[in-house]
Amino acid sequence: QSVLTQPPSLSGAPGQRVTISCTGTSSNIGANYEVFWYQQLPGTAPKLLIYDNDRRPSGVPDRFSGSKSATSASLAITGLQAVDEATYHCQSYDVSLSAWVFGGGTKVTVL
Amino acid sequence: QAQLVQSGAEVKTPGASVRVSCEASGYLFDSYGLTWVRQAPGQGLEWMGWISPYNGNTNYEQKFQGRVAMTTDTSTNTAYLELRSLRSDDTAIYYCARAPFSYTNGGRFDPWGQGTLVTVSS
Repeated sequence: QSVLTQPPSLSGAPGQRVTISCTGTSSNIGANYEVFWYQQLPGTAPKLLIYDNDRRPSGVPDRFSGSKSATSASLAITGLQAVDEATYHCQSYDVSLSAWVFGGGTKVTVL
Repeated sequence: QAQLVQSGAEVKTPGASVRVSCEASGYLFDSYGLTWVRQAPGQGLEWMGWISPYNGNTNYEQKFQGRVAMTTDTSTNTAYLELRSLRSDDTAIYYCARAPFSYTNGGRFDPWGQGTLVTVSS
């Protein structure tokens, strides 16, 4: 059972917008720790997609955007493309556990 | 740019130990932390611990306390993960990733190594 809660799967047609939620508690996201998102393409290592809640590393398309509010965060993908088919993981820090924590991952399927 | 390259796949029997290496390049090794994350087949990411190459300080996830050791060799910019008393549920891909210099402030993992598959089977 992951500390951060994500939906196991989502799907969307090409061009659509999908939003992935990441729900935490007052010990992690709600304690003002940043949220990070990673994209894991099939058979590859995770890659940083969003850092500090809503910032994109250079090279990440602006179709990807992050937001955070209270004890949860979201990753939005607009203009969904076939290459976006991957598993997306959220991550933060938990002060009660003194540990970095992940969500269970959300597999996005492009129909 | 920063890059992490890990050692190859391992097959171990239950009760054995495994050591995975992670060689860093393209950045100042002791200016960042180094973390280990594993992923069991079909499962999510599981954080294992963090080490500071600067002073060797470590923080392990409670679940692995007593069974894990993380070390670094600053002469070769290499980090090591040792996991002892292996069980079948330790079968997973083990990743290293560059982490923040300071442990307590949270932070991002970037970049990641390519992963090392460790299979535990009798």
